[in-house]
This record gives sequence, C-alpha cells and structure tokens, in this order.
Amino acid sequence: GQNIDQPTEMTATEGAIVQINCTYQTSGFNGLFWYQQHAGEAPTFLSYNVLDGLEEKGRFSSFLSRSKGYSYLLLKELQMKDSASYLCAVMDSNYQLIWGAGTKLIIKP
Amino acid sequence: DGGITQSPKYLFRKEGQNVTLSCEQNLNHDAMYWYRQDPGQGLRLIYYSQIVNDFQKGDIAEGYSVSREKKESFPLTVTSAQKNPTAFYLCASSIPGQITYGYTFGSGTRLTVV
Repeated sequence: GQNIDQPTEMTATEGAIVQINCTYQTSGFNGLFWYQQHAGEAPTFLSYNVLDGLEEKGRFSSFLSRSKGYSYLLLKELQMKDSASYLCAVMDSNYQLIWGAGTKLIIKP
Repeated sequence: DGGITQSPKYLFRKEGQNVTLSCEQNLNHDAMYWYRQDPGQGLRLIYYSQIVNDFQKGDIAEGYSVSREKKESFPLTVTSAQKNPTAFYLCASSIPGQITYGYTFGSGTRLTVV
C-alpha cells in the first residue's frame, strides 16, 4: 500500500530552526509537495520537489532524497505565525496526491 | 482575484438528510477535487473531475455524489448513506500537466451532523 509518515506534533522556539521529516512509500513518484495549513483554513502551497536536493525559498527550504523515500521541510527564523500544520504529499504514478496526516508545529515565545 | 469559493463555511445536517456543498472556481482550471479531512488523518480523496461532464470516484466515494456540468462548479452532495459525515471538506483545483504548481484549495466547509 501507499504510505506517508510524518511526526504528529513538534514544538520549537520563536527565532529557532525546525526540521519536519516526511518518509514515503508510494506507487510511483511524480514529485513531493509541502503545504501549510492553519487551523480551520485551506492548505497553502509551500514547495515542490521532484529531483534530489535542496530547494530554498526564503525562510523555508525543502529537501528530497528519492532513493531513501525521504524529504524534510526546514523552517528558519521561526515566527509565531508559523504555528500551523505542515502537510507532506506525494504525487503517485497516476498523478494523484497521497497525503500524510500532517505535523502540527507549535511555536513558543 | 482568482480563487476557489466554498460555501457555506459551516453546515449542520440532521441525520437522514442530504446536503450539498458548493465549490466554485474562477481560475480556469480543468481539474477539480473533493477531499475529506478528519483529525489525525491525511486528506482523503472523495471524487475528482478532469473535465466537464466527467468525474471519477476517489478512495472514499461511498455515500457521496458529485456533478460537473460547468467547468467552474463541482458541487458535492453528502447523502444519508454516508454514516459518519461529520468532517472538514476541502475542494481543490489544478491544471492537469502543470503539477509543479500543486493544487489550489478553497477555505473549506465544516459539516456537523446534529
């Protein structure tokens, strides 16, 4: 079966750095997405990785290793507004998104 | 501004009733999707549509129905056959083939059975 694993919850301090990991096993691979979702709101697109390596976009970076079935989202200079759930999703061979359960990130002052 | 509009934001349903959730987009996207989100679980696909007048079942289609009569609209009906409908429902759209942009989501409808 298809499976995406990410930690349920993480806590970090304002101004610090946090890494959210995602491992996956899917039928085929057409890219990995990270989304941010504030409570009760729509998920918003953060990043897309299809090749191995690190993609940097401001305070957020995303890394992919296809051979290991592994990705991480790195958030730097954490701000209180970064408190949200972070969803990892993989596009399979049928171009359907398979979603992880999300990681709830709590930022403390 | 382009986007996806879901309505209503909150919906209460009595047991045995059918209810319809609205999803409208003005992004000119061909593909539209309905997801269900429950606490502690990933988004689960209910139905999707790649073109007008055509749609396919997702992983949890039982107890739901959809229509795609217009490109802009993809309403979801939660029927009385859906035994546990209380959830957060998300509509999304995308441009098939342009996967690097991901999906655009509506703001969701929270359905509660009373």
